Amino acid sequence: GNSVTQMEGPVTLSEEAFLTINCTYTATGYPSLFWYVQYPGEGLQLLLKATKADDKGSNKGFEATYRKETTSFHLEKGSVQVSDSAVYFCALNHAYTGNQFYFGTGTSLTVIP
Amino acid sequence: ETGVTQTPRHLVMGMTNKKSLKCEQHLGHNAMYWYKQSAKKPLELMFVYSLEERVENNSVPSRFSPECPNSSHLFLHLHTLQPEDSALYLCASRDGTGHTEAFFGQGTRLTVV
Repeated sequence: GNSVTQMEGPVTLSEEAFLTINCTYTATGYPSLFWYVQYPGEGLQLLLKATKADDKGSNKGFEATYRKETTSFHLEKGSVQVSDSAVYFCALNHAYTGNQFYFGTGTSLTVIP
Repeated sequence: ETGVTQTPRHLVMGMTNKKSLKCEQHLGHNAMYWYKQSAKKPLELMFVYSLEERVENNSVPSRFSPECPNSSHLFLHLHTLQPEDSALYLCASRDGTGHTEAFFGQGTRLTVV
């Protein structure tokens, strides 16, 4: 079946540190992959996406590359800010599953000054 | 602002009350979702509507009753809820074609007392 596995949190980093949040997936064929971010008290917002192998999604300094060979979509940022403190969700959607989205459990990130 | 609006933002209700959550989108999307987000649990898909027909119903108790009167509006009718139903209820919508992302509302924080 389809599933998404994210690294467990919480993650605490100092400002300007490098961030990696691991995400791997299980799916047949070529799903679309997404990273969503949820700030306290808010809904989920799309951070970036990639729809085919080797695509790189990027936004607000965050990047993730769709790696078919390792079934991964790791989120990275070179220098985090306090304002990046949030919960990050990896997700996939597959043509075979139609409207179904599969979300990871979320990784909480806290950035300290 | 994602274009998906949920009301109310906060709701406190007794176990014998009947209330409804509302979700509205004017993005021209044809698929709408209800998710439940509880503390320390994965995001839980409750219902999916595509072209105003329910296409997913993930073993949700009958005390939750969805309604999709048109492609722009989605309701979640609540009655005789339990304290464990307290959670953040998220609505999302999507253009159900291609590799498109879901757009989330800000959620309704529900507390059952």
